[in-house]
Amino acid sequence: GQQLNQSPQSMFIQEGEDVSMNCTSSSIFNTWLWYKQDPGEGPVLLIALYKAGELTSNGRLTAQFGITRKDSFLNISASIPSDVGIYFCAGQGRGAGSYQLTFGKGTKLSVIP
Amino acid sequence: EAGVAQSPRYKIIEKRQSVAFWCNPISGHATLYWYQQILGQGPKLLIQFQNNGVVDDSQLPKDRFSAERLKGVDSTLKIQPAKLEDSAVYLCASSQIRTSGYEQYFGPGTRLTVT
Repeated sequence: GQQLNQSPQSMFIQEGEDVSMNCTSSSIFNTWLWYKQDPGEGPVLLIALYKAGELTSNGRLTAQFGITRKDSFLNISASIPSDVGIYFCAGQGRGAGSYQLTFGKGTKLSVIP
Repeated sequence: EAGVAQSPRYKIIEKRQSVAFWCNPISGHATLYWYQQILGQGPKLLIQFQNNGVVDDSQLPKDRFSAERLKGVDSTLKIQPAKLEDSAVYLCASSQIRTSGYEQYFGPGTRLTVT
């Protein structure tokens, strides 16, 4: 089946620093989604990317859909304490028309005030 | 707009008991998903419905898991009998039908502990 490699697994940064995380896949995806999950909550959609090469921003977050359609990255600029959480990438493939999401294992972000 | 609702939020049962989870999707969302999220991992799809029909249940352990979506709105996921390895968070998500991919919105999840 499809697999996503998400890195880094965890990171500790100082407040105000920029953050970068990425996902790579062995398969082509039609859509890349980035989610954030806080403890005890469900994942919250941050950014959706639909075209290869697409660069999309949402406030301090910027994400790109790789040209090869096998990778994506998420950047967070000027991190703040509320950015703490687990960030998941998810790729959406054709999957017999089911648009199934395959998730990475997450990047756990810790922000030191 | 109200989000995806799930209940209960927490459940503790003994192995071999049965349990059921309920989900109410975002109004107007035709597609509903159930995911299992084991600690330290990303969510894994169990079953996908479009309206009240099953689109994909290839990863649902059908010997013990069942799900239904009556009338194409609310859905119930059942485990019978539960095993220790079923301890996880069960997430429900919903999405609209789009031509350019589905943005899935998640509920808060039900944390199941099997002892």
